[in-house]
Amino acid sequence: QQPVQSPQAVILREGEDAVINCSSSKALYSVHWYRQKHGEAPVFLMILLKGGEQKGHEKISASFNEKKQQSSLYLTASQLSYSGTYFCGTAYGNNRLAFGKGNQVVVIP
Amino acid sequence: ETGVTQTPRHLVMGMTNKKSLKCEQHLGHNAMYWYKQSAKKPLELMFVYNFKEQTENNSVPSRFSPECPNSSHLFLHLHTLQPEDSALYLCASSQDPLAGGLNEQFFGPGTRLTVL
Repeated sequence: QQPVQSPQAVILREGEDAVINCSSSKALYSVHWYRQKHGEAPVFLMILLKGGEQKGHEKISASFNEKKQQSSLYLTASQLSYSGTYFCGTAYGNNRLAFGKGNQVVVIP
Repeated sequence: ETGVTQTPRHLVMGMTNKKSLKCEQHLGHNAMYWYKQSAKKPLELMFVYNFKEQTENNSVPSRFSPECPNSSHLFLHLHTLQPEDSALYLCASSQDPLAGGLNEQFFGPGTRLTVL
């Protein structure tokens, strides 16, 4: 039940906005977002619980659409430091996360 | 040391070698995990330990053998590996293993393994 992340890659200029998505075919309990820079460990960004809440980390926010079983990550006024691969991890009621293939984000000056 | 540490950071081994990967978490967490990260593939969960007890073995071949002597240390013993086992092996920990996916996982930097 691995989630599907889209688009696979995004290239944007500093200051631009982007949206990346994480979709599941199975009912979700929670969605985790992590960012991994090349050669580094994945770093936790936020957890969203079913209920459609939104959360934020710096100028990165996310939403959880329970009806669509989808979470979206919004990169607002992107900074060079936002570059990396964003992984979503989906939980179905246990402590086991299923990760997607990741969205590669490249922010250029 | 803080967070989750892993040693060695890089490992090259032959198919007949025996080696071990080590993970240590300094966060007082009760759950620890091994993941495999291959190019172009999602993170693959291998093993889960809750309070030192193995609770998940995600159909991992027996050439990978985990060991959790206490809640702070996790090992992955490697034996007779194949070239396709070359990957980044990540260790992670979380506070409460029974929280139903509510706890964030803290990852170590990983061990880059190459099997010749």
